[in-house]
Amino acid sequence: DVKVTQSSRYLVKRTGEKVFLECVQDMDHENMFWYRQDPGLGLRLIYFSYDVKMKEKGDIPEGYSVSREKKERFSLILESASTNQTSMYLCATTGASGGNYNEQFFGPGTRLTVL
Amino acid sequence: AQSVTQLDSQVPVFEEAPVELRCNYSSSVSVYLFWYVQYPNQGLQLLLKYLSGSTLVKGINGFEAEFNKSQTSFHLRKPSVHISDTAEYFCAVSSYSSASKIIFGSGTRLSIRP
Repeated sequence: DVKVTQSSRYLVKRTGEKVFLECVQDMDHENMFWYRQDPGLGLRLIYFSYDVKMKEKGDIPEGYSVSREKKERFSLILESASTNQTSMYLCATTGASGGNYNEQFFGPGTRLTVL
Repeated sequence: AQSVTQLDSQVPVFEEAPVELRCNYSSSVSVYLFWYVQYPNQGLQLLLKYLSGSTLVKGINGFEAEFNKSQTSFHLRKPSVHISDTAEYFCAVSSYSSASKIIFGSGTRLSIRP
């Protein structure tokens, strides 16, 4: 079974702090994704990475950056946390598609509260 | 570009009653369609998917969905729900050319009453 783990289930930070959310997968998957989930808005893609040191912006990248130094680890960084970044953050992973569908596997999520 | 509309934000039903969660999509190209489920305090897991072939797709836990190309719909159904089906359900779409990138709907919260 694919295992996707996230560093924290719950996190409370203060406005202006730098926040790191980490995601680790154990299946040697090429693609990794960061989403945020808000009530009534579903999941929105923040960033994704299709290889080590490669990244692409998703639909809502403002205020976020990412890092992928190793294949199994994908970090989401909030350079200066703000209250509107209070949300549930979900990491997902999938193998290289080559034009074919590959299932996305999700981590348990990190609920971040910014005070 | 693709988009997904889930027509109901909340659906309350009685235990053992049938349920249908509605989903419509928009796309100018051929698509893959999915339903994901999120149980309380957990991540998402795949319930079922339509890739090609038969338009009636069966998934886990007795759920099924029917792909209707003319109506651009992919409604999720279960003939008899259980308390354990209480969860949030997300309809999603991806295109053939960008299969790894999935667009999610806003979600439908299914609550089961005893």
